[in-house]
Amino acid sequence: AQKITQTQPGMFVQEKEAVTLDCTYDTSDPSYGLFWYKQPSSGEMIFLIYQGSYDQQNATEGRYSLNFQKARKSANLVISASQLGDSAMYFCAMRSLNTGTASKLTFGTGTRLQVTL
Amino acid sequence: NAGVTQTPKFQVLKTGQSMTLQCAQDMNHNSMYWYRQDPGMGLRLIYYSASEGTTDKGEVPNGYNVSRLNKREFSLRLESAAPSQTSVYFCASRSVSSYNEQFFGPGTRLTVL
Repeated sequence: AQKITQTQPGMFVQEKEAVTLDCTYDTSDPSYGLFWYKQPSSGEMIFLIYQGSYDQQNATEGRYSLNFQKARKSANLVISASQLGDSAMYFCAMRSLNTGTASKLTFGTGTRLQVTL
Repeated sequence: NAGVTQTPKFQVLKTGQSMTLQCAQDMNHNSMYWYRQDPGMGLRLIYYSASEGTTDKGEVPNGYNVSRLNKREFSLRLESAAPSQTSVYFCASRSVSSYNEQFFGPGTRLTVL
């Protein structure tokens, strides 16, 4: 079984500052993928960034980067130069890369980020 | 491309009523999923369809049924709605890109009285 833990229910960050959203995971699968999704107040789920368990480098997508520490089983999302539009709920999720698992996602409970002026 | 579409956007039911949530995707994806989102609990998988013609239970399937009508459409049915099924329901389909990320529909907010 897989489990995702997001221990920060809410976070505040000032505009233009960087912020780290924590995510730890537990799995017995040797091969897995980690995702971050953003959910603004409008409700849609927006894919942000992906990290494979065998990727040698940390993933980056624009202002988003993933601080992947495999031995610690953590996959923290770093948002640089925060903008007001970054205010949203953020979900960490994972899936097994084993065949036959149909790429089912397991989600954490989310972190609500509020960007302030 | 419309992506993943869901109907209706909002619905209020009385306990015991039935309804079907519709989902369609135009991205030619094989796998589709139904999740529910409750406050403080993230998204939980109800049912999924790895490919046309197959469906399987997820984490919380009780009280639901699904139909994979064709490659595009995957519906979720509540036969006898209960207040515990008050939730926001998301349909998703899985990309065939290297990330295999899931694309989500806009959600259906369901209230069962």
